[in-house]
Formats: sequence, structure tokens, C-alpha cells
Amino acid sequence: DTAVSQTPKYLVTQMGNDKSIKCEQNLGHDTMYWYKQDSKKFLKIMFSYNNKELIINETVPNRFSPKSPDKAHLNLHINSLELGDSAVYFCASSSRDGEETQYFGPGTRLLVL
Amino acid sequence: AQSVTQPDIHITVSEGASLELRCNYSYGATPYLFWYVQSPGQGLQLLLKYFSGDTLVQGIKGFEAEFKRSQSSFNLRKPSVHWSDAAEYFCAVGISNFGNEKLTFGTGTRLTIIP
Repeated sequence: DTAVSQTPKYLVTQMGNDKSIKCEQNLGHDTMYWYKQDSKKFLKIMFSYNNKELIINETVPNRFSPKSPDKAHLNLHINSLELGDSAVYFCASSSRDGEETQYFGPGTRLLVL
Repeated sequence: AQSVTQPDIHITVSEGASLELRCNYSYGATPYLFWYVQSPGQGLQLLLKYFSGDTLVQGIKGFEAEFKRSQSSFNLRKPSVHWSDAAEYFCAVGISNFGNEKLTFGTGTRLTIIP
């Protein structure tokens, strides 16, 4: 009965590689998000999608490309990984019911070597 | 633009003692306010939220928070902490524009519990 799930949980890769992180929610929400948590635990929004449409893009390098095949999925593809991309990436979802509470996934810990 | 300040980076409390974690926000209108908890190596779990109405909100795990508009604060409290409360706590402010919502987080407060 997982609400927001992410795969993989851990990702270790070399600089220059391309990788993807997947997110799925079974809450019936229509808005999904990607957040980045840096080494100092600071959380910052990267993207949000509503009904598969990009709504928020917070000045993220274009090496990061979100893709939403349907309302329940929001994937994050990262090209040409850099050391500074090492972080924990959280997916979240919410619904437009007047109380847009965001529910978070468990996070994907990315380490770029 | 909205912002959130959590002035305490790290707080240590004895088990059974009371707890208050501070949160101040900056936003021109009435915000949506949240407290999330992150246990080591885990994701973010919603503790409680304020949207409107009663300014004292109850959450899970015995936590409560009080919205004080005059002080732009949303402090989190618990009357008696348990060792399992050791975690990182994040206050967040949200602006909703139906599909254009984002949360702005504070920098977090790390809570350590001593026996």
C-alpha cells in the first residue's frame, strides 16, 4: 500500500554517465514534484507537473529532464552527471482539493564519483 | 518570495522533557504551513499542517503547532519527547495557485534525545 515510491533507493555512478530515477504514486493525485536535498539537508523544489504538464521549473540545469508519461508517474533523467549532482532526490505528489498537502517518497540517494 | 527560518540548527532534549521547535515564515498573505519529520536515511513524513481555522493544530505522534500571525511563527511542540523522536524536523510554507504550488522549506532542526 505504498503511497509514493521511488526507484532506485540508492544510485552510485561515475561522472559523465546518464541515469534515471523513477517515481510512482497510487494516491490518485494529479500533481507531482521533484525536490533535491543537498548534503546540508536543504530541500529545494526542482520541478512540478500537473496532469502531465510542466508547471514549475526552478532554474534547474537542462541536463535534468523530467518526464511524466501519465498522472501517476514522474521520472527524472539526468544527463552527463556531475559531482555536484550528488544529493538525495525526493518525489512528492499532491491533489488539487483545496489542501494541496504534498506526500513524499522515500528518496533516492545519488552519489556521483 | 516566501521564506522560512528555523533558527535552531540542533536541539538536544532529555527523554520525557518538553520540546518546542521554532519556525518563522515570510509571506505576504496567509500561508499554508507544514511540519515534516525526516528520520535518518528516511523520507519526509508529514506531522501536521495549517491551512485555516483553528490556529492550534494537532498532528501525529503527539505533536502540535500553533500559528501566530502577529509573530509570523508556526512553532512545533510536544509535551514529552520519546527517544524515537530523534530526527530532522522541517518547517515549510506553501503557496497554492491550483497546480502551481511549491513548498519552501526551512533549513531544518536536528533533534537529539538523551536518556
